[in-house]
Amino acid sequence: GDSVTQMEGPVTLSEEAFLTINCTYTATGYPSLFWYVQYPGEGLQLLLKATKADDKGSNKGFEATYRKETTSFHLEKGSVQVSDSAVYFCALSLTNTDKLIFGTGTRLQVFP
Amino acid sequence: NAGVMQNPRHLVRRRGQEARLRCSPMKGHSHVYWYRQLPEEGLKFMVYLQKENIIDESGMPKERFSAEFPKEGPSILRIQQVVRGDSAAYFCASSPQQGAYEQYFGPGTRLTVT
Repeated sequence: GDSVTQMEGPVTLSEEAFLTINCTYTATGYPSLFWYVQYPGEGLQLLLKATKADDKGSNKGFEATYRKETTSFHLEKGSVQVSDSAVYFCALSLTNTDKLIFGTGTRLQVFP
Repeated sequence: NAGVMQNPRHLVRRRGQEARLRCSPMKGHSHVYWYRQLPEEGLKFMVYLQKENIIDESGMPKERFSAEFPKEGPSILRIQQVVRGDSAAYFCASSPQQGAYEQYFGPGTRLTVT
């Protein structure tokens, strides 16, 4: 079935370090791909998205490129801040359904 | 603009009781989705509703769970005869139209069954 696999956390980094959170997917058809972020005690917020192969989503310094050949959508940021500490979820949505299929989430902890 | 609102934020029920979770979508949104997050797991889709209609309930357990989104008022997720395994965070999301892809999430209701 359709699924999303994320690297396990926590990911622990010092401020200004480079971040990569891996995400791969399995899907029938051509999904749209998303990264959501969840801050403590809050709901999920859409961070970025890409709707077709080779698209790059970007927001707040985060980027992810839709790679169809490797079925991946890895999240990257060049210089993390303490305020980026949160749980990050990769997700997909198929074109014939509105539901989101999520990965298990990756907790990021950034220390000063 | 108010976002998606859920209440209560925390709910404690004893085994066998009923739990009612409410979700008010963003203004102008007529599509509501419910997701469940079990401890240490990702969010799992449960049900997708439009006003007065269930569109997709493929993620709903076959028994004890039901959902509605009436013409007036919030969407309700109802769990009858709760068991310890129902303890989870339940998130509601809304979108303005079908196929819009971007779903706006509420803060969730954390259900604890004792």
